[in-house]
Amino acid sequence: DIQTTQSPSSLSASVGDRVTITCRASQSVHNYLNWYQQKPGKAPKLLIYVASTLQTAVPSRFSGSGSGTDFTLTINGLQPEDLATYYCHQTYTSPGTFGQGTKVEIK
Amino acid sequence: VQLVQSGGDLVHPGGSLTLSCAASGFTVATNHMNWVRQAPGKGLEWVSVIYAGGSTLYADSVKGRFTISRDTSSNTLYLQMDSLRGGDTAVYYCARQKYGEFGDNWFDPWGQGALVTVSS
Repeated sequence: DIQTTQSPSSLSASVGDRVTITCRASQSVHNYLNWYQQKPGKAPKLLIYVASTLQTAVPSRFSGSGSGTDFTLTINGLQPEDLATYYCHQTYTSPGTFGQGTKVEIK
Repeated sequence: VQLVQSGGDLVHPGGSLTLSCAASGFTVATNHMNWVRQAPGKGLEWVSVIYAGGSTLYADSVKGRFTISRDTSSNTLYLQMDSLRGGDTAVYYCARQKYGEFGDNWFDPWGQGALVTVSS
């Protein structure tokens, strides 16, 4: 099974900050890597798919990059509504595997 | 395009429960459909998939106890859960597995979630 490891597990940042979350796969997943945002008490929502494609209606301050084993989710200009837990998800193998999540808090 | 779930409840250990996930805007039978769960305060754990062709796959933790199925007439996905244990306590989400041009795939949309509590 391909393992996906996110870091950090949590972070606290100020409004307007640039936030970076990384996801590392135990072997190459090419660009079959997705990111989800889960706000407190809500279902996960697709944010980015195929490593860097923004889902419709997702603000442009979110971006994704990477390929192979190393991926990054960046929030350029953190907003209060970005308070959430973010999960990476590799789907190169079926079924895929989720990262353990990164909780983003606002200072 | 949306998924609306129902069926969450409090169940005694050893009991059974069936979750439903009604789709609108797309056809369940022509998509790969998944169940994902989230224990309290924990991350996302994949549970099961039913492929468009009808074959199924389960996580080792639920194999032999859970059954995924679908009904074409009602366009609904189901998860039959038997021999429930405390470790099955979680919010259960259904999700469509959508495919791109090159086999790339992702989960979208997700249902709103259904809480299953296994306790005496």
